[in-house]
Amino acid sequence: SAVISQKPSRDICQRGTSLTIQCQVDSQVTMMFWYRQQPGQSLTLIATANQGSEATYESGFVIDKFPISRPNLTFSTLTVSNMSPEDSSIYLCSSSQGGNTEAFFGQGTRLTVV
Amino acid sequence: AQTVTQSQPEMSVQEAETVTLSCTYDTSESDYYLFWYKQPPSRQMILVIRQEAYKQQNATENRFSVNFQKAAKSFSLKISDSQLGDAAMYFCAFMPSDSNYQLIWGAGTKLIIKP
Repeated sequence: SAVISQKPSRDICQRGTSLTIQCQVDSQVTMMFWYRQQPGQSLTLIATANQGSEATYESGFVIDKFPISRPNLTFSTLTVSNMSPEDSSIYLCSSSQGGNTEAFFGQGTRLTVV
Repeated sequence: AQTVTQSQPEMSVQEAETVTLSCTYDTSESDYYLFWYKQPPSRQMILVIRQEAYKQQNATENRFSVNFQKAAKSFSLKISDSQLGDAAMYFCAFMPSDSNYQLIWGAGTKLIIKP
């Protein structure tokens, strides 16, 4: 199994600013995923991050708004840029290891934009 | 398109009783995995149980078991002897074997445990 430490756990930000969310995994993982989740609702995939290559974004999400870094096999960041109140949500990172189909999750970041 | 449907937005059960959460999915794939994840108020997503599509035997993990009907594309979760700690959102998820671990999620079912 893998343990993912996600920071910050929550933040309140001013509109127009940016926030970077970090996820540190305690072992090397192949794929990392970034999700957005409104409270009480399902997960929406933002992008998939593979080490050494550009992240792959889902429809409705663009790199300029949600730049992602994946510098090595244990770490990734998601930045929410030029924030507006509509960006208020929970952001989750997740990873899977080769050969193990179980997904592991960070604790989530609750973002409020005011 | 592959989809996962959870038709019960909310379910409630008396403590110590049994409850079943439903999940159906749509796919043309023959090789895939199915999961139930639990998300308590702490937001930490936890794997409850996993089923490989090629296995006919239903998966079981202590008080949690599934009823996997491949032909009907149904994957329900049964929780026996419900406990207060089982209160959470439960998500059904589907993963094709060639998807690079990408999961397709259901809308979730909120489970309430009545003491």
